[in-house]
Amino acid sequence: AAGVIQSPRHLIKEKRETATLKCYPIPRHDTVYWYQQGPGQDPQFLISFYEKMQSDKGSIPDRFSAQQFSDYHSELNMSSLELGDSALYFCASSPRRGGSQTQYFGPGTRLLVL
Amino acid sequence: AQTVTQSQPEMSVQEAETVTLSCTYDTSESNYYLFWYKQPPSRQMILVIRQEAYKQQNATENRFSVNFQKAAKSFSLKISDSQLGDTAMYFCALFTGNQFYFGTGTSLTVIP
Repeated sequence: AAGVIQSPRHLIKEKRETATLKCYPIPRHDTVYWYQQGPGQDPQFLISFYEKMQSDKGSIPDRFSAQQFSDYHSELNMSSLELGDSALYFCASSPRRGGSQTQYFGPGTRLLVL
Repeated sequence: AQTVTQSQPEMSVQEAETVTLSCTYDTSESNYYLFWYKQPPSRQMILVIRQEAYKQQNATENRFSVNFQKAAKSFSLKISDSQLGDTAMYFCALFTGNQFYFGTGTSLTVIP
């Protein structure tokens, strides 16, 4: 079965650089969520999109922005990167319509800011 | 506000034995879902089991089962016949209001 795809899987950036993370949800899933997981921490919700519109916003810094495109893939744009942005970034997708509410996670993008 | 509490940071169990991971939650919402996710060393988040709050019957998935006590807001995970591949971090999660709320995780080690 198709799973959530994230690219790139690994990313190394310098401080103050920008990064773009991509997420391709499971086909027919209409909702995408982004999470940030620091070392030894639980995933922290950043932002979600439902039917290409921002749905909910969590602890996403103002330096980050995201959007969902017409093909339902989503991109997380991170600017002015800081050392503390080093983390594992998960994307998850869900078929919100239909009520299962189960989120299926991608493999994550490991971002290292030097 | 929604909260999820996992009071056991670390646990261990002998292979083939049974272990129970605790989780309590708090929400004022009447419509919510509860999940257990497993995160092995690869750090992939893998769904273990889910429970709809409106269902009284406890969910079961092969060796994994939950004890859902709605009044007590408790959602524990029981792993039977533990296997080495069960070694992972286990997160309890609450979904309501279109958001997931994760606990801080329990690191489970299965000892050969």
